[in-house]
Amino acid sequence: QPVLTQSSSASASLGSSVKLTCTLSSGHSSYIIAWHQQQPGKAPRYMMKVEGSGSYNKGSGVPDRFSGSSSGADRYLTISNLQSEDEADYYCETWDSNTHRVVFGGGTKLTVL
Amino acid sequence: EVQLVESGGDLVQPGRSLRLSCTASGFTFGDYALSWVRQAPGKGLEWVGFIRSKTYGGRTDYAASVIGRFTISRDDSESIAYLQMNSLKTEDTAVYYCSREGLLWFGAKYHYYMDVWGKGTTVTVSS
Repeated sequence: QPVLTQSSSASASLGSSVKLTCTLSSGHSSYIIAWHQQQPGKAPRYMMKVEGSGSYNKGSGVPDRFSGSSSGADRYLTISNLQSEDEADYYCETWDSNTHRVVFGGGTKLTVL
Repeated sequence: EVQLVESGGDLVQPGRSLRLSCTASGFTFGDYALSWVRQAPGKGLEWVGFIRSKTYGGRTDYAASVIGRFTISRDDSESIAYLQMNSLKTEDTAVYYCSREGLLWFGAKYHYYMDVWGKGTTVTVSS
């Protein structure tokens, strides 16, 4: 089944941009993934799904500052004009149609400086 | 408003059982698959299991760590999904979330993705 690899941490300054990466394991580079945000002490929130083509669809109420993209086995979440409330853990997730199981990446802890 | 509300979390002793509920509102519950996901203290998200809609047979799948101990079911007439947890272990201590699964079809293939989350319920397994 696929493995999703994320950096454990990232940081960027208030008002700047940051690009988080989720890398699919070999043989799974065409998979669709979803990004989820988890602010401290809160439940996860669905942000968007990103396809291998680079097409992405955001969840309801997700600000325009958030966008998705793709390159090969990498799926990206870009946050522009960083705000303090963007400080959170970000997880990528995918469904494996072969094993019928869901896989999560280890999560990236984003710090807004 | 689309909403999922988990309930039933508690402090239980190892070896005992517990049933969690996930009550849905704001959408046609029977049209969707549901997943249960857990998060141990200070850890990442771990998928627990999944139940398809009746349209797709209502079939369930589980993570290896819970197979044979946990069972997911659903009552579409009440818009509730359940997670029955038996033979609980201390490592099952976590916040348990339910999530709705969106479904994408492309050609003959399909893909599920979590598009709505509940706020979670806490399960503590300790003697």
